[in-house]
Amino acid sequence: QQQVKQSPQSLIVQKGGISIINCAYENTAFDYFPWYQQFPGKGPALLIAIRPDVSEKKEGRFTISFNKSAKQFSLHIMDSQPGDSATYFCAANDYQGGKLIFGQGTELSVKP
Amino acid sequence: DTGVSQNPRHKITKRGQNVTFRCDPISEHNRLYWYRQTLGQGPEFLTYFQNEAQLEKSRLLSDRFSAERPKGSFSTLEIQRTEQGDSAMYLCASSSTGTQYFGPGTRLLVL
Repeated sequence: QQQVKQSPQSLIVQKGGISIINCAYENTAFDYFPWYQQFPGKGPALLIAIRPDVSEKKEGRFTISFNKSAKQFSLHIMDSQPGDSATYFCAANDYQGGKLIFGQGTELSVKP
Repeated sequence: DTGVSQNPRHKITKRGQNVTFRCDPISEHNRLYWYRQTLGQGPEFLTYFQNEAQLEKSRLLSDRFSAERPKGSFSTLEIQRTEQGDSAMYLCASSSTGTQYFGPGTRLLVL
């Protein structure tokens, strides 16, 4: 019940295309869902986050879509660029500030 | 705001040795977290502190692992009698409002 399942494991997208990464969770106590971007040898960097009282949040080229009834959320990267090539992790926790539960990660490669 | 810092960035040790890592959180962040990340996996929670109190420890944190945050500022993570399975990236994060900000990590290699 504590798991967050992420797919796909890897993704190849052409420059300018849309990258879509999906996550699903079971624990209905989760109420905070961040996405992190990680480059090799670096720590995860917060990209965008959402709480379940909204169904969508957009920041620049990055959009989170949230489906509370299905317990699913997804990250959309519009106009994908080679510099977006990295590993993306979804995560979840209760906003009281406890531990983050991470998905398994998606390795994104954007081809020029 | 200089971000979360971790030292050392890399550590190579021989099996059976003890190692200690340090994390300096973003100033005024009262919560500090330790995670472990192995290649190709997401970070896994180890433990976290609110100020100097250790509030939760994962089952991953065997008795060879100990963490402290003595004055509610920096934290140390010690691994005693290291094993090859301890080889991983050890990540520290801090927060004040729930959003966790990560440091660059300490890469540990146990030979």
